[in-house]
Amino acid sequence: EPEVTQTPSHQVTQMGQEVILRCVPISNHLYFYWYRQILGQKVEFLVSFYNNEISEKSEIFDDQFSVERPDGSNFTLKIRSTKLEDSAMYFCASSRRDNEQFFGPGTRLTVL
Amino acid sequence: AQSVSQHNHHVILSEAASLELGCNYSYGGTVNLFWYVQYPGQHLQLLLKYFSGDPLVKGIKGFEAEFIKSKFSFNLRKPSVQWSDTAEYFCAVNRASGGSYIPTFGRGTSLIVHP
Repeated sequence: EPEVTQTPSHQVTQMGQEVILRCVPISNHLYFYWYRQILGQKVEFLVSFYNNEISEKSEIFDDQFSVERPDGSNFTLKIRSTKLEDSAMYFCASSRRDNEQFFGPGTRLTVL
Repeated sequence: AQSVSQHNHHVILSEAASLELGCNYSYGGTVNLFWYVQYPGQHLQLLLKYFSGDPLVKGIKGFEAEFIKSKFSFNLRKPSVQWSDTAEYFCAVNRASGGSYIPTFGRGTSLIVHP
């Protein structure tokens, strides 16, 4: 069964550094998403992406965040200058036009 | 704005006990409702979903949920839990957005089942 994959599974970085989180969505899916989950809190929507552009973003997704689909398979989330409060699990998801999103295993980001 | 409330943050049960996890939402429009499960060390998986029709929805692994529109609720149930049901459970409400759907998640309920 096809699944969404994410790399790395765990990323440790110093405050102020740039990080890129990578996702490979399911191949015939058209919509892509990033979510984050701060430890002990709810899963929060960050951004959705369709047809090579952002279709919706939350207030969390400020100028330090960006997304890209650099080729036909990868979908990346870049955090330009990490802050301590960016430490969280970051989940990628993808979907076809219908309602169900399929989630990846997540990347745990730790900012020191 | 829509919101989702899960009333039980931590639930501890013994095997064979019955389970009911509460989920209430606030949203004025048509809703699509989901329960996701996250087993330890694994990713979010869909347990079941409600779009329309029969308000009693059956999902995988013996789970079911009932949509009660008048109560804005979508509670998850299982008559007899197993140790392998130990996981984090998330209720979610979808709203339409530009051809796709954006879920709002509840805070999650951590379920521990003792053998």
